[in-house]
Amino acid sequence: EPEVTQTPSHQVTQMGQEVILRCVPISNHLYFYWYRQILGQKVEFLVSFYNNEISEKSEIFDDQFSVERPDGSNFTLKIRSTKLEDSAMYFCASSHAMLAGINEQFFGPGTRLTVL
Amino acid sequence: GNSVTQMEGPVTLSEEAFLTINCTYTATGYPSLFWYVQYPGEGLQLLLKATKADDKGSNKGFEATYRKETTSFHLEKGSVQVSDSAVYFCALSDPIQGAQKLVFGQGTRLTINP
Repeated sequence: EPEVTQTPSHQVTQMGQEVILRCVPISNHLYFYWYRQILGQKVEFLVSFYNNEISEKSEIFDDQFSVERPDGSNFTLKIRSTKLEDSAMYFCASSHAMLAGINEQFFGPGTRLTVL
Repeated sequence: GNSVTQMEGPVTLSEEAFLTINCTYTATGYPSLFWYVQYPGEGLQLLLKATKADDKGSNKGFEATYRKETTSFHLEKGSVQVSDSAVYFCALSDPIQGAQKLVFGQGTRLTINP
């Protein structure tokens, strides 16, 4: 069964460093997403991406964040200069299409980012 | 804005017990409602969904009914198993506001003891 994969599973970085989190969505999916979950808090939407551009982003997704689909398979989230408060579990998701208003998203296992 | 509220966890039950995890929502439009489950070390998996009032989603013995009058989507299972131990997330997708994003509740950790 096709699945969303994410690498690495755990990333440790120093404050101020750049990190790139990588995701491989399901191959025939068209919509891509990043969510994050700070320990003990809700899963929060960051950004959605369709047709090679951002279609929606939350207020969390400021200028320090960017997304890219550099080739036909990868979808990346870059944080330019990490802060302590960026420490969280980051989930990638993908969906095929909006069918009758239903947006069924398939999630990866997550990357745990720890900023020291 | 839209929001989802779940019952506080953790919830601990014995095998074969009846499970209810409460979920209520606030939305400006007519959202689709979902339950996702996260098993240890894995990603979020869709458990069940409902797209309109009075729809019942079901999967793996779990059920939830979309109740517009009470803005609720409570998750139930008649007889839980140890393998149901996981974190459960209620979520909505509102086609009026932010069609693509999912809005999640805080998650409820469920532990089933043999």
